[in-house]
Amino acid sequence: DTAVSQTPKYLVTQMGNDKSIKCEQNLGHDTMYWYKQDSKKFLKIMFSYNNKELIINETVPNRFSPKSPDKAHLNLHINSLELGDSAVYFCASSQAKTSGSFADTQYFGPGTRLTVL
Amino acid sequence: QKEVEQNSGPLSVPEGAIASLNCTYSDRGSQSFFWYRQYSGKSPELIMFIYSNGDKEDGRFTAQLNKASQYVSLLIRDSQPSDSATYLCAVNSYGGSQGNLIFGKGTKLSVKP
Repeated sequence: DTAVSQTPKYLVTQMGNDKSIKCEQNLGHDTMYWYKQDSKKFLKIMFSYNNKELIINETVPNRFSPKSPDKAHLNLHINSLELGDSAVYFCASSQAKTSGSFADTQYFGPGTRLTVL
Repeated sequence: QKEVEQNSGPLSVPEGAIASLNCTYSDRGSQSFFWYRQYSGKSPELIMFIYSNGDKEDGRFTAQLNKASQYVSLLIRDSQPSDSATYLCAVNSYGGSQGNLIFGKGTKLSVKP
């Protein structure tokens, strides 16, 4: 069983379109994250949810909107896609958000490679 | 701004040698430290975590933490070609009630047969 899964794995779309990426974790974790990894391989956090509550919202354009229907799912919707949105988007989850122990280890999904043409 | 710095490499070592990967961080209040390995086209996978000053060993891997110097390293003994990957250092910095993993840009390791 895959611990953290994402769909789709690849997404190719035109500028201006709206698209969504879905993430599910079956680890029973309370916290889920979205990261963006650009062409230079720099991994940067975008959002974090704990028990369906938004706890981290980094400086991300408001065209990006996360939604967490339950604590096992965190989806990412992107409006009006731009060329600069092309990247690999990783979902991750962890057991806790603040404990400073092994519980805050994050486990990553396989990634979604988004290409905006 | 909280930062995590790594040499981008590539770091090239011969098979069987010790590979030494280094990382420094800016937030003195950081409490937990992680090393992830990322193969090309794959997602980051956890290798080790460390919370206390000193060394922590797991098989061929040893993580070293020095909070006074704000420095964390990863040693890979008996390096194998399969260890060739990008190694990401990540530091958990706490701001208020929330935790946040800050990643370095990664060091690319190449192990030559």
